[in-house]
Amino acid sequence: GDSVTQMEGPVTLSEEAFLTINCTYTATGYPSLFWYVQYPGEGLQLLLKATKADDKGSNKGFEATYRKETTSFHLEKGSVQVSDSAVYFCALGVQGAQKLVFGQGTRLTINP
Amino acid sequence: DSGVTQTPKHLITATGQRVTLRCSPRSGDLSVYWYQQSLDQGLQFLIQYYNGEERAKGNILERFSAQQFPDLHSELNLSSLELGDSALYFCASSVDNDYGYTFGSGTRLTVV
Repeated sequence: GDSVTQMEGPVTLSEEAFLTINCTYTATGYPSLFWYVQYPGEGLQLLLKATKADDKGSNKGFEATYRKETTSFHLEKGSVQVSDSAVYFCALGVQGAQKLVFGQGTRLTINP
Repeated sequence: DSGVTQTPKHLITATGQRVTLRCSPRSGDLSVYWYQQSLDQGLQFLIQYYNGEERAKGNILERFSAQQFPDLHSELNLSSLELGDSALYFCASSVDNDYGYTFGSGTRLTVV
């Protein structure tokens, strides 16, 4: 079935470091791909999305490119801030089923 | 404020009891989704309603049920509660059947 596998956390970085959180997926058809972020005590917020191969989603300095050949959607940011500390979820939209399948989440902590 | 309202925010109840979680979707959104977030299972899709009708079903236990009312708010009913049902329950809404989910801040259920 459709599934998403994320890089295991937790991930701890220093401020201004480069961030990569890996995400790979298994799906039939052509899913849409998403990154959501969950700050402490809050619900999930859509961070960025890509709906077809080679699309690049970007928001707040974060980027991810839909790579069909490697079935990946890795999240990157060039210079992280303390305020980026949160849990990040990769997800795919199951074609025809109208539901999102989430990865297990990666907890990111940025130290000043 | 995301526009999706979930009540109550916290709920503590005993095993064997029944509870009702409520969700008011963002204005104009017709779809409501329920997700369960636990430490060991991650984010699990439970059920989707679209304009009052059940549209998709996920890993929802038979002890759980949901409905969406004419004013589009939704309720998730959990009965014969077990310790393992302790989790965060999220509601999300979207326009039509797209993937632009807006999540509420969740209801934290603790079964003792």
